[in-house]
Amino acid sequence: QVQLQQWGAGLLKPSETLSLTCAIYSGSFNGNYWNWIRQPPGKGLEWIGEIDDRGSTNYNPSLKSRVTISVDTSKKQFSLNLSPVTAADTAAYYCARLNVRASGWPGYHYYYMDVWSKGTTVTVSS
Amino acid sequence: IQLTQSPSFLSASVGDRVTITCRASQGVSTYLAWYQQKPGKVPEVLIYAASTLQSGVPSRFSGSGSGTEFTLTISSLQPEDFATYYCQQLYSHPRTFGGGTKVEIK
Repeated sequence: QVQLQQWGAGLLKPSETLSLTCAIYSGSFNGNYWNWIRQPPGKGLEWIGEIDDRGSTNYNPSLKSRVTISVDTSKKQFSLNLSPVTAADTAAYYCARLNVRASGWPGYHYYYMDVWSKGTTVTVSS
Repeated sequence: IQLTQSPSFLSASVGDRVTITCRASQGVSTYLAWYQQKPGKVPEVLIYAASTLQSGVPSRFSGSGSGTEFTLTISSLQPEDFATYYCQQLYSHPRTFGGGTKVEIK
């Protein structure tokens, strides 16, 4: 059973860099997309971006100028950098697997986020 | 693509039939998933491809729709179903979520 474990600093000052890493256990890195999602306190989910096993990325346009997602396939890890941070970046950050699998219908695949980390609460405060 | 969920909040009793709607600002075919998030917990997928039940999810949950209008139905609300529900489109980037529907006990 695939598990995701993430780590990184939980308290940052404005203008610093948020860095989180997510490790994949008991599963293949290939064939899926590896995502970052965040949730401000008391609010909904916001998609940050994703990376595949070839290192191809997609980002939320609202964050694109500040976000970098990278991958280390040898370690089965992927990372999120967000810089510079402000108080508005205070949130719980999750990594998640976007499962991509064949449906049996030609040209149609199933897409869904089926494995999530426990999340890291990141607070940005001076 | 923007996803609008309605209602944003609903109060219901155990045993009630509950329906949540998710409307997309443009067509997403059936590339839509539903998630449940309980307080302090991680989101869990309930439905994908608009109507396919994730393994292990109770059959009282069902999804329907295609294009721009989707529904999540709970046929008989149970105490453990009180939570916030989110839709997400996987048709294009950015992979947006709806604003959420909080289901509370009446």
